[in-house]
Amino acid sequence: SAVISQKPSRDICQRGTSLTIQCQVDSQVTMMFWYRQQPGQSLTLIATANQGSEATYESGFVIDKFPISRPNLTFSTLTVSNMSPEDSSIYLCSARLAGGQWDTQYFGPGTRLTVL
Amino acid sequence: KQEVTQIPAALSVPEGENLVLNCSFTDSAIYNLQWFRQDPGKGLTSLLLIQSSQREQTSGRLNASLDKSSGRSTLYIAASQPGDSATYLCAVPGSSNTGKLIFGQGTTLQVKP
Repeated sequence: SAVISQKPSRDICQRGTSLTIQCQVDSQVTMMFWYRQQPGQSLTLIATANQGSEATYESGFVIDKFPISRPNLTFSTLTVSNMSPEDSSIYLCSARLAGGQWDTQYFGPGTRLTVL
Repeated sequence: KQEVTQIPAALSVPEGENLVLNCSFTDSAIYNLQWFRQDPGKGLTSLLLIQSSQREQTSGRLNASLDKSSGRSTLYIAASQPGDSATYLCAVPGSSNTGKLIFGQGTTLQVKP
């Protein structure tokens, strides 16, 4: 199994500012992901964080708005840039231990972001 | 395009009842299905992972079944307790082995003492 931690757990930010969320996994993982959960909604994948290369973004999400880094096999960051109230969501980091079809996907506790 | 639907959206039961949560998906070509629990304002906890070759998976009072041909999965909770109150989400992999999960909207369960 994997234990995933995120920092900060929550934050309240002003419109126009940026916030960087950190994700740390307690073991080396092959795949890391960032999801967004808007209020009252289910989870939507933002991007796959690729080690040593640019993240792979889902439709509707762009690098300028959500830059992602993954310098090694256990750590990733997501930045929410130039925030607006519409960015108020829970942001969750996720990881898979290996690329096989049998693997469970683990989630961090989430970062609750409120943009004023 | 894969779509995942969960019914009911919300459920309130008295303590001790057995209950069933439903999940349906439009593309039956999945290789697993995962059930998660989410407590209010928290992250997700994996409950059960059913592989495509399995029909069911059990963990304690939880039993999840999978019928790929009909595009359905159920999560059965036996002898429900107030501590089971949470939102339950099912998810299936997106197309190709990208690791992407597609989630249903969830069923919010309240178990009353």
